[in-house]
Amino acid sequence: AQSVTQLGSHVSVSEGALVLLRCNYSSSVPPYLFWYVQYPNQGLQLLLKYTSAATLVKGINGFEAEFKKSETSFHLTKPSAHMSDAAEYFCAVLNQAGTALIFGKGTTLSVSS
Amino acid sequence: EAGVAQSPRYKIIEKRQSVAFWCNPISGHATLYWYQQILGQGPKLLIQFQNNGVVDDSQLPKDRFSAERLKGVDSTLKIQPAKLEDSAVYLCASRLTVMNTEAFFGQGTRLTVV
Repeated sequence: AQSVTQLGSHVSVSEGALVLLRCNYSSSVPPYLFWYVQYPNQGLQLLLKYTSAATLVKGINGFEAEFKKSETSFHLTKPSAHMSDAAEYFCAVLNQAGTALIFGKGTTLSVSS
Repeated sequence: EAGVAQSPRYKIIEKRQSVAFWCNPISGHATLYWYQQILGQGPKLLIQFQNNGVVDDSQLPKDRFSAERLKGVDSTLKIQPAKLEDSAVYLCASRLTVMNTEAFFGQGTRLTVV
């Protein structure tokens, strides 16, 4: 069965610092992986997705993620954090049938000035 | 392009009362999802529709939850009777039927059961 595990429920960084949000997956088939962001009182917005093309995926707002099969990881990074990046971030994997998303528990990113 | 619309945005009810949520997906999107997001957790799939047919409702508590999608467009999710543990944000999402395309989420309905 497909699942994702997000390591760290809360990450705090200073403005301008590197952002690293960790996600490990478990999948019985080649996975399709996603990162979503949720701002307060808003729905989820897609940041980026991995669909077995390039292993380094670039998304919106300067975020990128690297698919590492050997480590079963899909960590999200951004070189320099902005205050506006403060939000909840969810890693997700497409279920085995390819019909719906399975989400991790989320990581709250705080950015201080 | 209009996004996924949900109403109401907020709802407070007493336990054992009933409540209904409404979702209007993006025009042309055949697939519609309802997710439940409990505070501090990731969204959990409740039910998936393909047009007006149910694809997956394995995680829907059918003794109290029901959902329908008449005419393959709008959808309603109902809870009757509500329990305290139903307090959550209910997210609606829609997607084209082609695999790997993005799912678009509405802003959600925040339900508080007191």
